[in-house]
Amino acid sequence: AQKITQTQPGMFVQEKEAVTLDCTYDTSDQSYGLFWYKQPSSGEMIFLIYQGSYDEQNATEGRYSLNFQKARKSANLVISASQLGDSAMYFCAMREGQGSGGSNYKLTFGKGTLLTVNP
Amino acid sequence: NAGVTQTPKFRILKIGQSMTLQCTQDMNHNYMYWYRQDPGMGLKLIYYSVGAGITDKGEVPNGYNVSRSTTEDFPLRLELAAPSQTSVYFCASSPPGRKRDSGANVLTFGAGSRLTVL
Repeated sequence: AQKITQTQPGMFVQEKEAVTLDCTYDTSDQSYGLFWYKQPSSGEMIFLIYQGSYDEQNATEGRYSLNFQKARKSANLVISASQLGDSAMYFCAMREGQGSGGSNYKLTFGKGTLLTVNP
Repeated sequence: NAGVTQTPKFRILKIGQSMTLQCTQDMNHNYMYWYRQDPGMGLKLIYYSVGAGITDKGEVPNGYNVSRSTTEDFPLRLELAAPSQTSVYFCASSPPGRKRDSGANVLTFGAGSRLTVL
C-alpha cells in the first residue's frame, strides 16, 4: 500500500482564488511528520510547511495552511489567494517514527499534484 | 550560505560507464540523503547517511554506492550505468531533530542533477 497518496494528478485554479491539494497517508506510528514541498518548473525542491502528529493546531505559513485531520489520515495543503507563481508541482511527504535516529528522518513522497494558476 | 551543492547539473552517460555525482553541504548537517525522481513520479530514497562513516540503503539502492568520509560531502557513485538510471537526482541534508518534534529536521535539497543514460 502506498504510504502517501495524492489523488489529484493536476489541478487548475483562477488567480486570487483558494485551492486545496489533497494528501492522505498511511502509518501505524504514533509519532510522524507531514511535509509539503513545491517544485517549480526550474526543478528545485522548496519546503513549504510542516505538521507534526502531536501538533494540535493546523500549521500555517503565510498563504499556506495545512488542514490536518488525524482520524482521516489526511494532510491537505490549502493555498489562499493563488498567484501565477504558485504554478508548480506540489509534493506531500511523510516522516515516520520518533526521529531519534537518521533512519527516522527519511521522507516518503507522494507522486505529486501539478497546480496551474490561470490569470 | 550555499546550502546543498550538487555537481554536475547535467550529464549524459553511455551504457556501462560509471560516474560520481558530487554533493556537499555547508550547514553542518548530520544527515544527508540521495533521492531520484523519475518523470511523473515522486522522489525515491536511494541512500542516506546519519554522519561521517555511516551510510545505509534506502528504497532503491541497486546500482549505486555512496561514501561519507566527511560531514560535508556525500558522493553518489553509479557503477555500470543502465538506461533505468536515467533520472533526476537530488541530494538533501537535514539537522537532527528533537524527540516528538521533528520540525527542525526539514530537508534542504540541492538543485538536482539530470542524468541520461543512452
